[in-house]
Amino acid sequence: EPEVTQTPSHQVTQMGQEVILRCVPISNHLYFYWYRQILGQKVEFLVSFYNNEISEKSEIFDDQFSVERPDGSNFTLKIRSTKLEDSAMYFCASRIRDQETQYFGPGTRLLVL
Amino acid sequence: AQKVTQAQTEISVVEKEDVTLDCVYETRDTTYYLFWYKQPPSGELVFLIRRNSFDEQNEISGRYSWNFQKSTSSFNFTITASQVVDSAVYFCALSEALGGQNFVFGPGTRLSVLP
Repeated sequence: EPEVTQTPSHQVTQMGQEVILRCVPISNHLYFYWYRQILGQKVEFLVSFYNNEISEKSEIFDDQFSVERPDGSNFTLKIRSTKLEDSAMYFCASRIRDQETQYFGPGTRLLVL
Repeated sequence: AQKVTQAQTEISVVEKEDVTLDCVYETRDTTYYLFWYKQPPSGELVFLIRRNSFDEQNEISGRYSWNFQKSTSSFNFTITASQVVDSAVYFCALSEALGGQNFVFGPGTRLSVLP
């Protein structure tokens, strides 16, 4: 069964460094999402992406964040200058057109020191 | 504005007991979708079920059942004859038909099933 994949599974970085989190959505899916989950808390929406542009973003998704679909398969989340409070699990999700269910990747656990 | 409430932060049951996880939602849309996801200790989010706002039929899948009550804005999840492998955090989520259909998640309920 097709799955959303994410790399890396874990990343440790120093405050102020840039990180890029990578996702490969399910191949025929057209809508892509990033969510984050701070340890022990709920999952929060960051951004949605469709047709090569951002559809919607939350207030968490400030100028430090950007998303890109650099080729036909990858979907990336970049954090330009990480802060301690960016430490979280980051989930990528995708869905097909006309289907509301989002399928989530296994997550990337980011730790900012 | 959308909101999802899961009032039970943690529940502990003994194996083979039935357990119900509560979910209450708020939305102004007439068309919306409700979901349950399971997050086992390994951390991934596993899709369990989706419900459309216009379909109030309850659903049963094996030991799992869902009770959707539009009148009380609730979408409760029952596990019958719980097993240790059911131990996880369970999230209820809502998406509205308009807009990007991003999910609003509830805070989750941590279920511990003890042997």
